[in-house]
Amino acid sequence: EDQVTQSPEALRLQEGESSSLNCSYTVSGLRGLFWYRQDPGKGPEFLFTLYSAGEEKEKERLKATLTKKESFLHITAPKPEDSATYLCAVRTFKAAGNKLTFGGGTRVLVKP
Amino acid sequence: GAVVSQHPSWVICKSGTSVKIECRSLDFQATTMFWYRQFPKQSLMLMATSNEGSKATYEQGVEKDKFLINHASLTLSTLTVTSAHPEDSSFYICSARDSGGVGEQYFGPGTRLTVT
Repeated sequence: EDQVTQSPEALRLQEGESSSLNCSYTVSGLRGLFWYRQDPGKGPEFLFTLYSAGEEKEKERLKATLTKKESFLHITAPKPEDSATYLCAVRTFKAAGNKLTFGGGTRVLVKP
Repeated sequence: GAVVSQHPSWVICKSGTSVKIECRSLDFQATTMFWYRQFPKQSLMLMATSNEGSKATYEQGVEKDKFLINHASLTLSTLTVTSAHPEDSSFYICSARDSGGVGEQYFGPGTRLTVT
């Protein structure tokens, strides 16, 4: 069974204090790993898709990396507006209907 | 970027009535759309996968006669909650997979359903 685990569950940062979120996965045949940001009361916002180990993608203060077992989302010099829940999900070659398997999310709070 | 819209954004209905939620992909075609349910402070729970022109595939434990899904076109899917009860109150989110891209999946803004 495909499993996705995110850590930590919650993260409190001071503005400017860089940190990393972890998404570890146990799947058979990774087709893609997705990162989303979700604000309270809203749908997830697409951030990145990573397809193969060694791949990296950046967007503003966010950088996502991928290995064969896990992905990291690095937040560099975060600002209060980066406060959100960050969700990681995987899609496998065997997934029926191309569905995503989500981790539990990491709630990030950035204090000014 | 790709946009998925949902309507309504929130709805209050009385117990026993039915509610329809629309999901549209605005600037891309989506052969496959997904419906999720999310409880407070929890991650998304997949309810069903819908493919344009065919019957939806429901996840285990989801009543297909209660949650009717129709995917009539490449840009529109609807979820109808039939004979709603207070326990159906939740945040429903649709998602669409870009048929023309590399498979990115985009989410709508969600619909808050409250059944009184």
